[in-house]
Amino acid sequence: IAGITQAPTSQILAAGRRMTLRCTQDMRHNAMYWYRQDLGLGLRLIHYSNTAGTTGKGEVPDGYSVSRANTDDFPLTLASAVPSQTSVYFCASSDSSRGSQFFGPGTRLTVL
Amino acid sequence: SQQGEEDPQALSIQEGENATMNCSYKTSINNLQWYRQNSGRGLVHLILIRSNEREKHSGRLRVTLDTSKKSSSLLITASRAADTASYFCATASGAGSYQLTFGKGTKLSVIP
Repeated sequence: IAGITQAPTSQILAAGRRMTLRCTQDMRHNAMYWYRQDLGLGLRLIHYSNTAGTTGKGEVPDGYSVSRANTDDFPLTLASAVPSQTSVYFCASSDSSRGSQFFGPGTRLTVL
Repeated sequence: SQQGEEDPQALSIQEGENATMNCSYKTSINNLQWYRQNSGRGLVHLILIRSNEREKHSGRLRVTLDTSKKSSSLLITASRAADTASYFCATASGAGSYQLTFGKGTKLSVIP
């Protein structure tokens, strides 16, 4: 793989179900991010990780959790999905503080 | 909350014309970045301008930054149909933040 991969590409989920969105990068970037993109609202940061073993909350963290067990992987978990979490989710990474970010192709999630 | 706000929200031009998009932000920054997003795809980094820079060029792109007015502009010269996409500005603030705050984007349509 090259760059960032996300899985699944799309998913339809029943409300109340647990879901993990996967993100893997092979660029050895120290920082990783999860965003959601909603029509008319642009991209909003959910959680981030500056380095393996650390995570932080972004602008819209409620209902989501993340972990960063190693450099390459940064999964995003919805413990109990709600319809307002219907969105397109993007994972990104960067190799330095305040540097440019590389984005994955996105996961389109629909919660019914 | 959105830091950057792009203007206009949508722009339609003929191929060969120049396209100018503007971004305004609210707080002090370390750098400002522009990203492009093709429909249904992830964002791609275009250019980064640091707070102590006033102008930067990359191919057909020219970015200016006016920190006194808290604004930036992205100029695409001699536009092509392939430039059709949404363009986002993103700001990186200080205090050791790894985070970018994105605007809502300008949707550019270049008509062949």
